[in-house]
Amino acid sequence: SQTIHQWPATLVQPVGSPLSLECTVEGTSNPNLYWYRQAAGRGLQLLFYSVGIGQISSEVPQNLSASRPQDRQFILSSKKLLLSDSGFYLCAWRLPGGAGKLFFGSGTQLSVL
Amino acid sequence: KNQVEQSPQSLIILEGKNCTLQCNYTVSPFSNLRWYKQDTGRGPVSLTIMTFSENTKSNGRYTATLDADTKQSSLHITASQLSDSASYICVVSPASGGSYIPTFGRGTSLIVHP
Repeated sequence: SQTIHQWPATLVQPVGSPLSLECTVEGTSNPNLYWYRQAAGRGLQLLFYSVGIGQISSEVPQNLSASRPQDRQFILSSKKLLLSDSGFYLCAWRLPGGAGKLFFGSGTQLSVL
Repeated sequence: KNQVEQSPQSLIILEGKNCTLQCNYTVSPFSNLRWYKQDTGRGPVSLTIMTFSENTKSNGRYTATLDADTKQSSLHITASQLSDSASYICVVSPASGGSYIPTFGRGTSLIVHP
């Protein structure tokens, strides 16, 4: 069966510090991978998606970047965090080539102080 | 522009009561509509999927409806329980377009009181 792992669960970082959130998927190959952010009381905002290794599409220009160094690994990064980067970050995957169900990780609550 | 609008934004009901959540969308061409349940501090989990030809689908106490002509969907929760307290998100996927990016509604926050 497929599983998705996302870590850390919570993170408190000072403004200007770097960020690295990691997401890995097990039990499937060539998944579509997604990073979402959810501000408090708001809906999910798509940040990045990837359909293959090294292929990253950005939905919203901002202070963040994403990388997919391996087929089932998706990393969200920032060189210098801003206060506005605070939020709940969710990684998700689904099977390629269709409009299938999204499977979400457990999320990372990021607080930038 | 593809959009998904949900109402109400928040809802408070007593345990045991029924409730209905609404979703209107403009996504075209349409592939499917899913309702997700998101508990606080967790990732969303899919409850139901509706395709173009389906009008009603049930999953336990959850019943989803779809009117593809008016582009509306509803999620009906019967005999609510305290564990139903969560955010319910309507997500519509297009029928074409590369990685098939779904459009998310902002969700309805449901609170069930004892």
